[in-house]
Amino acid sequence: GAGVSQSPSNKVTEKGKDVELRCDPISGHTALYWYRQRLGQGLEFLIYFQGNSAPDKSGLPSDRFSAERTGESVSTLTIQRTQQEDSAVYLCASSLHSRVATDTQYFGPGTRLTVL
Amino acid sequence: ILNVEQSPQSLHVQEGDSTNFTCSFPSSNFYALHWYRWETAKSPEALFVMTLNGDEKKKGRISATLNTKEGYSYLYIKGSQPEDSATYLCAFKVTGANNLFFGTGTRLTVIP
Repeated sequence: GAGVSQSPSNKVTEKGKDVELRCDPISGHTALYWYRQRLGQGLEFLIYFQGNSAPDKSGLPSDRFSAERTGESVSTLTIQRTQQEDSAVYLCASSLHSRVATDTQYFGPGTRLTVL
Repeated sequence: ILNVEQSPQSLHVQEGDSTNFTCSFPSSNFYALHWYRWETAKSPEALFVMTLNGDEKKKGRISATLNTKEGYSYLYIKGSQPEDSATYLCAFKVTGANNLFFGTGTRLTVIP
């Protein structure tokens, strides 16, 4: 079946602009995660959705970051007033059962965001 | 933020060589340990998930072991091939959490 897809694959924007990143998870996966990888660093957790609710937003770095999920499917990560430190690869993942130890997160190919 | 360390940071091996990498993680509140392979311009691909001390997993030429008491996991690649070139990520899950804590990865280059 289809894997996790993300769009756009690349986004170049100017400092101060807003951007929206989209994630289409695997059908039937109730859990959805956003991570990012800045240059030279490991993947950093941003936010977790169970269904359409986000019980864990602890990784969002500032109030400029927000995310929503609708129809227990598509998710959008929005970054307002982008800064250069927001430049990173943003990865989305989905899984069946987040609370099961062996639950595997399946990743999309990521969106590479460059803020000039 | 939990500290997950991977070593070495990068590695070059000749085709046919066997190699291994290390992932170190906190031994308290352990729930699961994941290994992923991430090739350039592709999605990270799940290799293994391990939950029990002493677990060993194998997939073709790649295998992994887990020691939860001392907080480390090894990934082994036997007879490396150029297509094994990728960044190998380990990720740690703690009890009660939903997200994964990732190391910075080991970048493997297999030279033909």
